[in-house]
Amino acid sequence: ETGVTQSPTHLIKTRGQQVTLRCSSQSGHNTVSWYQQALGQGPQFILQYYREEENGRGNFPPRFSGLQFPNYSSELNVNALELDDSALYLCASSLGEGTSPLHFGNGTRLTVT
Amino acid sequence: LAKTTQPISMDSYEGQEVNITCSHNNIATNDYITWYQQFPSQGPRFIIQGYKTKVTNEVASLFIPADRKSSTLSLPRVSLSDTAVYYCLVAGSSNTGKLIFGQGTTLQVKP
Repeated sequence: ETGVTQSPTHLIKTRGQQVTLRCSSQSGHNTVSWYQQALGQGPQFILQYYREEENGRGNFPPRFSGLQFPNYSSELNVNALELDDSALYLCASSLGEGTSPLHFGNGTRLTVT
Repeated sequence: LAKTTQPISMDSYEGQEVNITCSHNNIATNDYITWYQQFPSQGPRFIIQGYKTKVTNEVASLFIPADRKSSTLSLPRVSLSDTAVYYCLVAGSSNTGKLIFGQGTTLQVKP
C-alpha cells in the first residue's frame, strides 16, 4: 500500500507570495488533515477535508485554504505569505471513521524570506 | 478536546524499559488515547491507541488506569533508534484528524 506523499519537499518563497502544497493520501483513506509545525513545537491543526468537503478548521486565518479532489488527494494554499509561515507543513490521511489513526507524510519545509 | 500534560524530556540507556506518563484529567467518555512518535524532519508515526486497561502491540504497551485520567506508554528495551519526540493525544471520533498536539516528550537514548 502506498503511504502519504507530499510535494515539494522543500520550498523557498518571498513574503507576500502565494504557495500551493500537495498531498496524496494513503490508498483507501477519504480524510485529509493539514498541520503546521514550527521548529521545536508540536504540529498545529490547520484544516481537514472529508470526501471533498471542508470538515474543520483550526485557529488559522482565511489566507490558509485548500481543497480535496475526487481521488482524495489534497492541496493547501497559503496566500500573502508572512515570515511566520515558515514551518514544516504536514499532511495526514485517515479513514475518517471512529478514531482511526492518522498517517502522516514527511512534510513540506517552507521557508519565507 | 482534552488537554494533555507530559514531561518535556527524558533520558534513558540502551536496553532499558522507558515509561512515559501523560496526564489528561479532562478526558471525555468517548475519547481515545493515542501516542505518536516523531523523528526529525519526518511526520509523526502512529505507535499505539487505547481506551482503557492495557493495550500491547509489537513496539509498545499502553497502560490506562480505571479513571482514565492518565496513561503510560511503555517502550521495552529501547535502542538508540528510539530517540525521538513522543506525543500523547486524546480525542473522540468527532475530532478524528483534528488533533491538538502539545510539545511532546523528547526521549534521548544513550549508549
